[in-house]
Amino acid sequence: GAGVSQTPSNKVTEKGKYVELRCDPISGHTALYWYRQSLGQGPEFLIYFQGTGAADDSGLPNDRFFAVRPEGSVSTLKIQRTERGDSAVYLCASSPKGVSSYNEQFFGPGTRLTVL
Amino acid sequence: ELKVEQNPLFLSMQEGKNYTIYCNYSTTSDRLYWYRQDPGKSLESLFVLLSNGAVKQEGRLMASLDTKARLSTLHITAAVHDLSATYFCAVDLGAGKSTFGDGTTLTVKP
Repeated sequence: GAGVSQTPSNKVTEKGKYVELRCDPISGHTALYWYRQSLGQGPEFLIYFQGTGAADDSGLPNDRFFAVRPEGSVSTLKIQRTERGDSAVYLCASSPKGVSSYNEQFFGPGTRLTVL
Repeated sequence: ELKVEQNPLFLSMQEGKNYTIYCNYSTTSDRLYWYRQDPGKSLESLFVLLSNGAVKQEGRLMASLDTKARLSTLHITAAVHDLSATYFCAVDLGAGKSTFGDGTTLTVKP
């Protein structure tokens, strides 16, 4: 079956612009995660959705970052007033289980964001 | 603050040799995951370890978990070039959240 998909695969933008990154999880997966990965580092947790609601958004670095998942499937990560430090690969993952079970995640290919 | 430390961060080894990658973490957890990432690619799940003493094996890789020591190991047996990649451990904090180590980049040379 289809895995997690993310679009676009690459995004180049200018400092101060607004960007949206899309994640389409594996069908039927209730949990969805966003991570940010900088070069040479492991993925850094941003936000986790269980269904439509954000169960944990403690990893969002500041209020310029926001994510939604209105119908419990596709999610969009939104970044306002982008800064050069936002440049990274943004990874999305989904998991079939809820909070009560283990958390094996299936990752998408990522969106490489470059802020000039 | 939870710390997840992998060592070594870089590992160069010859084909046919054995080696172990270590993942230490600083908080209580009985669930840990190992992932593989090839250059420019996303993460692929390798092992799910769900309890103290868990051991999983797949081909030349074997992962174990000691929750009392807060340590997981990924053992490589008779390395081959195809195992060259970056390996991440991730500690499950519960409630859907995991914290990743910085990865171990493995290069297997002929």
